[in-house]
Amino acid sequence: NAGVTQTPKFQVLKTGQSMTLQCAQDMNHEYMSWYRQDPGMGLRLIHYSVGAGITDQGEVPNGYNVSRSTTEDFPLRLLSAAPSQTSVYFCASSLGMPGLKSGGYTFGSGTRLTVV
Amino acid sequence: SQQGEEDPQALSIQEGENATMNCSYKTSINNLQWYRQNSGRGLVHLILIRSNEREKHSGRLRVTLDTSKKSSSLLITASRAADTASYFCATDVRAGNQFYFGTGTSLTVIP
Repeated sequence: NAGVTQTPKFQVLKTGQSMTLQCAQDMNHEYMSWYRQDPGMGLRLIHYSVGAGITDQGEVPNGYNVSRSTTEDFPLRLLSAAPSQTSVYFCASSLGMPGLKSGGYTFGSGTRLTVV
Repeated sequence: SQQGEEDPQALSIQEGENATMNCSYKTSINNLQWYRQNSGRGLVHLILIRSNEREKHSGRLRVTLDTSKKSSSLLITASRAADTASYFCATDVRAGNQFYFGTGTSLTVIP
């Protein structure tokens, strides 16, 4: 049971480049979310999904796209990287809405992204 | 804007002492969670408390919730050096289906 797997762990992009951060879970979790963590800002929700084929925006969705074609995978796409997107990105999953079906989120180990 | 805010931002204590950190939030919630994050790692779920609960225990952790004051506290008793980490509260919004995190409390336990 691998839990939540994020790849890559580190990435450096040039401004304007695009890339996809991968997130996969093997726990058959319905809920998956992407957060970014910046110093002094805590974690901010980018996008989330409550099941395959269903996605929605969080607090800071601009510049990011997501899709959920399978239960296991929830990739995050940066369309045209900007220095403001330099951050640590975390993917999280839960069986259902925390508190209803599960105790809480399981987090991946993060992707540290630098945009120069 | 973020739903939860932790206080204090940083806390330093001696091993064996108790550590208390607080979380305040803005709107009505269904549930509140506490997480721990060790340096350079992902977050680990510690405990969830529902809006109809006032107190919950898990090992050396005690969480209280006061919905009238829109606040929660996390108490770690008999702290250990291994408790050194950042601690975050996460709250949902009653009409929503996702959790929003605060900025965290950085706890240092000195051996």
